[in-house]
Amino acid sequence: AQSVTQPDIHITVSEGASLELRCNYSYGATPYLFWYVQSPGQGLQLLLKYFSGDTLVQGIKGFEAEFKRSQSSFNLRKPSVHWSDAAEYFCAVAIVTGKLIFGQGTTLQVKP
Amino acid sequence: DAGITQSPRHKVTETGTPVTLRCHQTENHRYMYWYRQDPGHGLRLIHYSYGVKDTDKGEVSDGYSVSRSKTEDFLLTLESATSSQTSVYFCAISDGTGDPMNTEAFFGQGTRLTVV
Repeated sequence: AQSVTQPDIHITVSEGASLELRCNYSYGATPYLFWYVQSPGQGLQLLLKYFSGDTLVQGIKGFEAEFKRSQSSFNLRKPSVHWSDAAEYFCAVAIVTGKLIFGQGTTLQVKP
Repeated sequence: DAGITQSPRHKVTETGTPVTLRCHQTENHRYMYWYRQDPGHGLRLIHYSYGVKDTDKGEVSDGYSVSRSKTEDFLLTLESATSSQTSVYFCAISDGTGDPMNTEAFFGQGTRLTVV
């Protein structure tokens, strides 16, 4: 069955430090992958997406993600975290018929 | 922001009563989805629609039904609400033009439902 795993439930980083959020997927065909961010009390906003081509994709707010087929991973990175990046982050995979399967989410806390 | 309106935004209801949540879009997108969000579970798909009167079940569809009689409206009904259905419910839409997976999903602001 298709699934998405985000191994880290909660991550704390210092402001200005680098960030990497992990995402592993299980899907037999070529995956369509997404990262979303959710601020408290808000809906989800798309950060970036991967469909094909270059395995390093750039998104909004200075985020990037790298698709690694051999590791079934799509990790999200940011070189320098800002206090406003504190939020919950979700990785998702789109499967046949357009359904989106989400991971459990990673909550990011930023220390001043 | 994509034109998605969920109503109501907050609701408290009693166990055993039916509840209907509404999602209205102004984008003329083909695909519409209902998810529930619970701590530790992320977002789980309840039902989705790929056109008027065309719907299918997601992974947590028990106790829920949906209807889509118009492109712009997707209704989620809890037939007899239970405390386990206390959650935040999100509606999402996607274009689906050509390749249904080659588009992102846009989310509404959510409906917080409490069943007491």
